[in-house]
Amino acid sequence: QLVLTQSPSASASLGASVKLTCTLSSGHSTYGIAWHQQQPEKGPRYLMKFNSDGSHNRGDGIPDRFSGSSSGAEHYLTISSLQPEDEADYYCQTWGNDIRVFGGGTKLTVL
Amino acid sequence: EVQLVESGGDLVQPGQSLRISCTTSGFSFVHYPMSWVRQAPGKGLEWVGFIRSKAYGGTAEYAASVKGRFTISRDDSKSIAYLEISSLKSEDSGIFYCGRESVGAIGDWGQGTLVTVSS
Repeated sequence: QLVLTQSPSASASLGASVKLTCTLSSGHSTYGIAWHQQQPEKGPRYLMKFNSDGSHNRGDGIPDRFSGSSSGAEHYLTISSLQPEDEADYYCQTWGNDIRVFGGGTKLTVL
Repeated sequence: EVQLVESGGDLVQPGQSLRISCTTSGFSFVHYPMSWVRQAPGKGLEWVGFIRSKAYGGTAEYAASVKGRFTISRDDSKSIAYLEISSLKSEDSGIFYCGRESVGAIGDWGQGTLVTVSS
């Protein structure tokens, strides 16, 4: 079963960096991943995508403070120089031929 | 500019049906699969289904939790995607978002429409 696992919460100080983790279920480590941000009381916003072939792209207007990486089944979203507006829920998303899946989300608090 | 605007959310009674729409502009709708995602109050994002472009059969796939009650369709002539929900339950309440897909990932989102199921 295709599942994404995220830690429920994370925190970091203003101006610091934080690394959020999204883990693909066993047997699915080569699947692509997308990251989405949802600020309080707003709809989701696409941040970036990592494909199974290693290619990736950042969404329009997304600052390069947001970057992604991966190691095996683990995907990471790193946010540097944290700003107050980065306080939000972050969701990873993956896909198969006939299914899409979201992780449970990580609530990021900027201290 | 890519735009997706959901509409049709409403307060409905349990057991009723509802059709919500996702009106799009700024891109060639016919070429893109479209997803629907719901968010219950205070909860995370839950994918409910997507519809392929006509070039890939125009068929829809659904999450197991909604299969049989949710139906996704599209009108390429109007650049609109639809989500019809039958036999509404209180647990269907939430915000429904549509998304434009690019090879599986949702690359653009609408602002959402609120569905409240209550007697």
